[in-house]
Amino acid sequence: AQSVTQLGSHVSVSEGALVLLRCNYSSSVPPYLFWYVQYPNQGLQLLLKYTSAATLVKGINGFEAEFKKSETSFHLTKPSAHMSDAAEYFCAVSSGNRDDKIIFGKGTRLHILP
Amino acid sequence: EPEVTQTPSHQVTQMGQEVILRCVPISNHLYFYWYRQILGQKVEFLVSFYNNEISEKSEIFDDQFSVERPDGSNFTLKIRSTKLEDSAMYFCASSGDLYGYTFGSGTRLTVV
Repeated sequence: AQSVTQLGSHVSVSEGALVLLRCNYSSSVPPYLFWYVQYPNQGLQLLLKYTSAATLVKGINGFEAEFKKSETSFHLTKPSAHMSDAAEYFCAVSSGNRDDKIIFGKGTRLHILP
Repeated sequence: EPEVTQTPSHQVTQMGQEVILRCVPISNHLYFYWYRQILGQKVEFLVSFYNNEISEKSEIFDDQFSVERPDGSNFTLKIRSTKLEDSAMYFCASSGDLYGYTFGSGTRLTVV
């Protein structure tokens, strides 16, 4: 069975500050890991994904995440927050089998303070 | 870039009515999925579909739900008798031989 746990349902950072959204996973097989962003009343946009290649994954909008097997973590970071980053962020896990479902975490709402 | 298209973007229906949510997956994709997101909650898996049959379904996907690929391009989710608690955003997704999961923009279903 697979699962993800996102620490913090709400995170607030000041504009220009570091963004750190935490995600820990549980998987009985080597996982594929994802971060999705959802803006209000919109769909799911893939930020980045880890598929067993490089452990540091760079995504869109300046975000990146590092896969740490020893810590079973896949935290999302961005060096400098922008007001437009305010959204809901979902960490997700899959087995990587092409027909497998994706399991989502509960999400973290990121607030950007002026 | 290829997209997964969902229609309608918003549907309002009366409790007890049947609704059909439509999706056009990416043309060369073989695996199709429906997910649901109740307002303010996480995205939940409903069902996966491959080779014209259900591959896996969650406990949410009970007898009131069904899926179909009626014409080789559309992928539909039918809810036979809607309940208030079916109000949610429904996302369709598809993937191909190379791992590439793509979500549609969703259909917001409101049951009144």
